[in-house]
Amino acid sequence: QKEVEQDPGPLSVPEGAIVSLNCTYSNSAFQYFMWYRQYSRKGPELLMYTYSSGNKEDGRFTAQVDKSSKYISLFIRDSQPSDSATYLCAMSDSPAPAGNNRKLIWGLGTSLAVNP
Amino acid sequence: DGGITQSPKYLFRKEGQNVTLSCEQNLNHDAMYWYRQDPGQGLRLIYYSQIVNDFQKGDIAEGYSVSREKKESFPLTVTSAQKNPTAFYLCASTGTSGNTIYFGEGSWLTVV
Repeated sequence: QKEVEQDPGPLSVPEGAIVSLNCTYSNSAFQYFMWYRQYSRKGPELLMYTYSSGNKEDGRFTAQVDKSSKYISLFIRDSQPSDSATYLCAMSDSPAPAGNNRKLIWGLGTSLAVNP
Repeated sequence: DGGITQSPKYLFRKEGQNVTLSCEQNLNHDAMYWYRQDPGQGLRLIYYSQIVNDFQKGDIAEGYSVSREKKESFPLTVTSAQKNPTAFYLCASTGTSGNTIYFGEGSWLTVV
């Protein structure tokens, strides 16, 4: 079993839909959770960063962490064609991702297409 | 603007040749990383460096080499010993808090 599982999709939704992207994980020591957006042929960019459990909102994006279920989600409200990208989850048991003993574990990414 | 610059964006090389990918950052970050991204395999850590003149192997270091002579620069050499070098290579860095990792735009290497 992989440490982080993420459905690769592709996920296709109409413009304006609410999108839910999810990752599950097996390591209960993970406390730092991140969502990255990656456009085609570009480097990933950080969207959301959360620590421990709870919700965090930033504009149309909401990140949710449920540590009891080992499940994290990213919700996108009023989705736009410009949201079409691959969304990667990442997590760690340490705030500093440097080093093999404190490294960042990545999901494979979910490909999202928002159709106008 | 502060950021991470990778060059070249696209590179074609013949099998058996070494190739060096450049990574420069002006974010004043201490730690730098090289990842490889392949379809269906996600991001895999090749090498990382937490400080100048020091670097450590990641999960898939075989066939790769790095140097860290300056804080701003962390070049990656893909050697002829790397069996499957064709991939998308990403350079990244983190600051002292280490809370978030920032990526460059990536370099596409195709070996024919």
